[in-house]
Amino acid sequence: SQTIHQWPATLVQPVGSPLSLECTVEGTSNPNLYWYRQAAGRGLQLLFYSVGIGQISSEVPQNLSASRPQDRQFILSSKKLLLSDSGFYLCAWITDNPNYGYTFGSGTRLTVV
Amino acid sequence: KNEVEQSPQNLTAQEGEFITINCSYSVGISALHWLQQHPGGGIVSLFMLSSGKKKHGRLIATINIQEKHSSLHITASHPRDSAVYICARHLSGATNKLIFGTGTLLAVQP
Repeated sequence: SQTIHQWPATLVQPVGSPLSLECTVEGTSNPNLYWYRQAAGRGLQLLFYSVGIGQISSEVPQNLSASRPQDRQFILSSKKLLLSDSGFYLCAWITDNPNYGYTFGSGTRLTVV
Repeated sequence: KNEVEQSPQNLTAQEGEFITINCSYSVGISALHWLQQHPGGGIVSLFMLSSGKKKHGRLIATINIQEKHSSLHITASHPRDSAVYICARHLSGATNKLIFGTGTLLAVQP
């Protein structure tokens, strides 16, 4: 079956610390993968997308970076977190299901203190 | 102005009521998504539609491409339907990304 795993679920990090969020998918190959962020009181916004290994496109300039070291692995990183990086981060991928299209991970709630 | 507008922003209903959430978008799309976000934050895809109507259980989604408008209906609402409902437009292309509305917070009271 096609599933997506995202961890950790919750993270509290001090300002200036590094970040690594991981997302993996199962049951498919060469998926389009996405990182979205939901800031408090705002809609989801696309941060990065990847159409293949090593291929990363950034939608908005920011303090974050993404990598895709393997076909089904997508990583969101930061060398030094800012307070403004707090939010809810979601990994997603496009499935072949004509009824749903997108499948989302369970999300990571990041609080930078 | 957000490319995807939802109304209402907040909705409180009594159990059993028929609920309608509206979504309007300003540019052409290849598909419109309806998503459900529970208090814990996880998001579940409810529908992806590009024309007409889809139904799943007590949920019905409709779209009018000419009017750039979609509605999500919940029949016989139940407290477990309480969640944030989000519509998002999907434009095919190199990105295949979604543009999200800010969501409608629904509270169904027993």
